[in-house]
Amino acid sequence: DVKVTQSSRYLVKRTGEKVFLECVQDMDHENMFWYRQDPGLGLRLIYFSYDVKMKEKGDIPEGYSVSREKKERFSLILESASTNQTSMYLCASSDRQGAREQYFGPGTRLTVT
Amino acid sequence: AQTVTQSQPEMSVQEAETVTLSCTYDTSESNYYLFWYKQPPSRQMILVIRQEAYKQQNATENRFSVNFQKAAKSFSLKISDSQLGDTAMYFCAFDNYGQNFVFGPGTRLSVLP
Repeated sequence: DVKVTQSSRYLVKRTGEKVFLECVQDMDHENMFWYRQDPGLGLRLIYFSYDVKMKEKGDIPEGYSVSREKKERFSLILESASTNQTSMYLCASSDRQGAREQYFGPGTRLTVT
Repeated sequence: AQTVTQSQPEMSVQEAETVTLSCTYDTSESNYYLFWYKQPPSRQMILVIRQEAYKQQNATENRFSVNFQKAAKSFSLKISDSQLGDTAMYFCAFDNYGQNFVFGPGTRLSVLP
C-alpha cells in the first residue's frame, strides 16, 4: 500500500520559533509537494521538488524554505514562525511521468501562538 | 496564471440521488491533466478521478464521472447513487505537466440519509 507520512499530526509552536515539518514517501516518486490548506482557499502550493536537492517556489513561498537531501524525504521549514502561518500543512508526492496523481499525507495542523 | 474555480462552497444531496459538482479553470495551455480529489472528514485526501485534456472521452470510475468541456474550460463531477461515505470536501485540481499545480477552493458535500 502506497504511503506518505508526516512527522506530526498536531503541532503547537510559539511565535519566532523555527519549525520543521517532515514528510516521507515510500513510492520512489520524483515529485514532492508542500501545500497549506485554509478554509475557503483550498490548497495553495508552497514549494515543490522534482528531484533530490531541486526545488521550485510555488504560489506562497514567503516565510518558508524546504530541503530535500534524499529522494524519499521532503522537509518544510518555517524559519521564524508567525501567527499567520497557523494552518493545515499537507505533503504529497507523485510520479514525474505517467498518471501524475498526487498521493497525500495525513496533514499536520500547526498552531502558532 | 492558471486558476481553478469551484462556485459551490457547500452542497447536499439525499442518499441514492445524483449530484453534480462544478469546476471551471483558466489556462492558455492545450495539454494538461485535471483531477477531482476527495477529502473525507479527518481523513487523507485521495484521488477520485482524472482526465487528460487531449482525450475527448469523459473519464468514469464506477459511480463517478466527469463532464469535460475543453473549449468552455469546464470540468464537472457527477456522483451517481450517492452514499453516506461520499460526504467529504471535493477539490478540483489542474496540472500542466509540472509547470503549475493548482487546486480549487473546494466544495463541501453532505450526503443526507
